[in-house]
Amino acid sequence: AAGVIQSPRHLIKEKRETATLKCYPIPRHDTVYWYQQGPGQDPQFLISFYEKMQSDKGSIPDRFSAQQFSDYHSELNMSSLELGDSALYFCASKEGSLSYNEQFFGPGTRLTVL
Amino acid sequence: DQQVKQNSPSLSVQEGRISILNCDYTNSMFDYFLWYKKYPAEGPTFLISISSIKDKNEDGRFTVFLNKSAKHLSLHIVPSQPGDSAVYFCAASTIIQGAQKLVFGQGTRLTINP
Repeated sequence: AAGVIQSPRHLIKEKRETATLKCYPIPRHDTVYWYQQGPGQDPQFLISFYEKMQSDKGSIPDRFSAQQFSDYHSELNMSSLELGDSALYFCASKEGSLSYNEQFFGPGTRLTVL
Repeated sequence: DQQVKQNSPSLSVQEGRISILNCDYTNSMFDYFLWYKKYPAEGPTFLISISSIKDKNEDGRFTVFLNKSAKHLSLHIVPSQPGDSAVYFCAASTIIQGAQKLVFGQGTRLTINP
């Protein structure tokens, strides 16, 4: 079965650079979530999209932005990167924003900021 | 403010015995609860869920119990197998303003000893 695809899997950037993470949800899933997991921490919700519109916002810094495109894939854009942005970034998708279906997670993108 | 707490960062269980992972939550608005399992370098994988209208849900070797009055849930794995060794995240969910909010606990690292 198709799973959530995230690219790249690993990314190394310098401070103050920008990064773009991509997420391709499971086919027919219209809702996408972004999470950040720091070392030894639980995943923290950043932002979500339903039908190409932002549906909820969590602890996402102003330096980050995201969008969902017409094919339902999503991109997380991160600017002015800081050392503290080094983390695992997970994307999850599910069908329906209002339903209690479980979220399916991608393998994550490991971002390292030097 | 940690709304979902997993107070045991690690748990070690003998193969074949029962593993019990615990989770507490503080927000009475949560009405759907999920357990995810995470292997290193992979995204969280959905295991089992329970709605607040139930007190037990069983799926094979996995059973989740919910005690709403105590705001406590637990995951039982029996019999435990070496492949169950992973980090287990408890997550609590509610729908606010049309969006499902998922809040994770800190995770419990389960090690199954042969």
